[in-house]
Amino acid sequence: ETGVTQTPRHLVMGMTNKKSLKCEQHLGHNAMYWYKQSAKKPLELMFVYNFKEQTENNSVPSRFSPECPNSSHLFLHLHTLQPEDSALYLCASTQGTGITDTQYFGPGTRLTVL
Amino acid sequence: SQQGEEDPQALSIQEGENATMNCSYKTSINNLQWYRQNSGRGLVHLILIRSNEREKHSGRLRVTLDTSKKSSSLLITASRAADTASYFCATVLNQAGTALIFGKGTTLSVSS
Repeated sequence: ETGVTQTPRHLVMGMTNKKSLKCEQHLGHNAMYWYKQSAKKPLELMFVYNFKEQTENNSVPSRFSPECPNSSHLFLHLHTLQPEDSALYLCASTQGTGITDTQYFGPGTRLTVL
Repeated sequence: SQQGEEDPQALSIQEGENATMNCSYKTSINNLQWYRQNSGRGLVHLILIRSNEREKHSGRLRVTLDTSKKSSSLLITASRAADTASYFCATVLNQAGTALIFGKGTTLSVSS
């Protein structure tokens, strides 16, 4: 285990549903990330939070809404998603935002949008 | 276009053989990292090589970096069935922050 947990592990939702993904890190890290991994595409960075403040939004549609209440928890709120949003959503954390900080990933949430 | 591209996309070998995966990138980097991902799971960091380093070892892993060719290779020696996974290179540009830019990965299958 990497010290980063994600729930749920699998989620199926309709396009009109509202759901949330949760990530928790037990490593005492200060920065957290959301990535999207679609089939046959590179891992895409979505959001970066450092000390609870959002430092990067990689042009993500507003139907994805992140929330970082503290340095240990990160949420991704989902609403009115599209089928093309089906993917593996990965959370990661780093000690800081130094250029050589190693990223620790959670196991991911497999999302299917019907 | 993406920063990192792995080659080959898929590789099948027998246990005990060596596996070599390559990564090419486009712009100047601070460091390059290799990650492994087992099917449907999160990524696990394997090794980081800085732009001023040419070779690095970690157990059965050997990573090389050629900044003049903007390429890196990952060699896994004496492969095992447990090495079956997807392997990704990720680059960190010469700027603050740790936003990694990943390639599409190489899928390695090791059969016993």
